[in-house]
This record gives sequence, C-alpha cells and structure tokens, in this order.
Amino acid sequence: QQQVKQSPQSLIVQKGGISIINCAYENTAFDYFPWYQQFPGKGPALLIAIRPDVSEKKEGRFTISFNKSAKQFSLHIMDSQPGDSATYFCAASRSSNYQLIWGAGTKLIIKP
Amino acid sequence: EAQVTQNPRYLITVTGKKLTVTCSQNMNHEYMSWYRQDPGLGLRQIYYSMNVEVTDKGDVPEGYKVSRKEKRNFPLILESPSPNQTSLYFCASSSQDGPLYEQYFGPGTRLTVT
Repeated sequence: QQQVKQSPQSLIVQKGGISIINCAYENTAFDYFPWYQQFPGKGPALLIAIRPDVSEKKEGRFTISFNKSAKQFSLHIMDSQPGDSATYFCAASRSSNYQLIWGAGTKLIIKP
Repeated sequence: EAQVTQNPRYLITVTGKKLTVTCSQNMNHEYMSWYRQDPGLGLRQIYYSMNVEVTDKGDVPEGYKVSRKEKRNFPLILESPSPNQTSLYFCASSSQDGPLYEQYFGPGTRLTVT
C-alpha cells in the first residue's frame, strides 16, 4: 500500500521556469515531510523539509507548500536551472520512529 | 569527511550464490537502514537498526538478512539471491541528536542477479 503518492513521474521545464512536484499522503500521523534530491550515481540527499503546522517553507529557490486539510504538499523550484536536473523524492515520517515513507520519485529535466 | 560507504558499488552474480554488501558510516550514528530503489517504486526499506544488536524488518525484508555487531557497520546479506533482487541498493544512517527525517545515504550498490 503506497502511503505517499507523487506526481508527475517525469517533468521537463525550460531554464528559468518554475518546476512543481506534488505529493499526497494518507496517514495523518505523519509529522514531517522532507524532500530529497538525487543526482545520477549518487544517493539521495535531504533538500528541504516541513512540519504540518506550517503552510510554507522557503530555502533559496526551493519552496514547500503544505495543505493539511487536503493532505497534500508540493515542491516548487523557482528559476529552474540545468543543475537542478535530478530525481526528486517526497517522503513522510513520524517522530515516533525513524522510518521514512517515500514517494515514487520525479525525474526532473531542465532544458537550457 | 563524514560519509556512508558501501562496497561493492557494482556486482553481477548468479542465482543462489551468497553475497554480502557492506555498509559503514563514520558519523557515530545510532540508526542505520537498507533500501532498495526500483523504477516507479521509489525507495523501499528492507531492514533497519536503531542501535547495536537491534534490527527490525522494513517493508520488503524477504530474502535479506542483516546484522549490527558494531555501531559503524551494517552489512546486507543475500543468502540465496534471485533475479527479482536485481536492484539499486542504498544504505543510510541517521543520528538521534538530529532531525529524525534527515538520513545520510551511501553512493549505492547496483546488483544484478542472473
């Protein structure tokens, strides 16, 4: 049972555009929602994370928007650059354990 | 340099031949975990360990074994590999002193079972 659904599976965006990746979750017990970035040949690395009591978190060009009532959250990449081309994973976690429930991933390509 | 290392990085083997993928971290992290990554399925947890001598099953433990005899090492053992275990494997670690969702990943091991 997939508890975190991520879309789209792949995304192509022009340089300078806005990239948007969406995730939806089912379990209301989750209390952290991180995003990970993975470059080819590398392991995932934490990019940004949000708690459900916050509607938006911004770090540089990366913003998480969170809608608790809809049980949805999204990653926005402003002014997308070719160096942002990577696979992005959303995830959900509970403070009571270390387990992360992962989305299926989105392969993002930024065209120069 | 703080890191998680895995060996080997690439492995091609045959069905039924026992293999071990090693994982080591130098950050003194209590928590370690193994994932497999398959296209369209994201990362699925195989086993995890909260500390030395404490291990537990993740979502897809069948066909795998682990051990945690030392804090820094967490090897993944496939006693009788099968083709459906062909995948990209990642080891990760995390500290109880930091955010629980912040996991540090190794570079991955690409396993092919023929």
